Amino acid sequence: AQKITQTQPGMFVQEKEAVTLDCTYDTSDQSYGLFWYKQPSSGEMIFLIYQGSYDEQNATEGRYSLNFQKARKSANLVISASQLGDSAMYFCAMREGSQAGTALIFGKGTTLSVSS
Amino acid sequence: DSGVTQTPKHLITATGQRVTLRCSPRSGDLSVYWYQQSLDQGLQFLIQYYNGEERAKGNILERFSAQQFPDLHSELNLSSLELGDSALYFCASSVSSPGDDGYTFGSGTRLTVV
Repeated sequence: AQKITQTQPGMFVQEKEAVTLDCTYDTSDQSYGLFWYKQPSSGEMIFLIYQGSYDEQNATEGRYSLNFQKARKSANLVISASQLGDSAMYFCAMREGSQAGTALIFGKGTTLSVSS
Repeated sequence: DSGVTQTPKHLITATGQRVTLRCSPRSGDLSVYWYQQSLDQGLQFLIQYYNGEERAKGNILERFSAQQFPDLHSELNLSSLELGDSALYFCASSVSSPGDDGYTFGSGTRLTVV
């Protein structure tokens, strides 16, 4: 079974609109971390936001917020006020356990296209 | 500059050949991870080293190997290359204690096998 599932291969949104990118995860660990990364066409991986499994508040970083629903095992990324520069591939990832130095497991990604 | 340096940025080679990809982690990071990203695929974890020792293995082929040196830089060796090995290879590093943004990626090496 896949550990990280991103069901939307592609999403389209207009500038200034909000968009939600879906991510569900599967783990039996009580302690884990969830990450979102952005990969523009240039290829680099850019860290966006992190949510720990014990964090009670949803994480926010500027225009990015993470809608964390633990019981449903979902960690959706919400981008508010989309910009043309947000067009990119977005990956959800998970670190299982609380040990330092644990590899991240990635989903297959969602391509976001923002139009003017 | 993320602090993780990968060389070379691009590599074109023929089938059957062997190549070495190099990664220098961010200063202070002891863990190095290698990932492969093929076309239209997510990042597949290959292997992790921590302070010179292999820590975890993912979907790494037997034709691939890696090591981490005393100065903590790491090399990924790919041999008997096939067309299907063409991909973007990322190196990432992380701190030794649990962290949130502690995973830093290099800019990747784009390998093309012809």
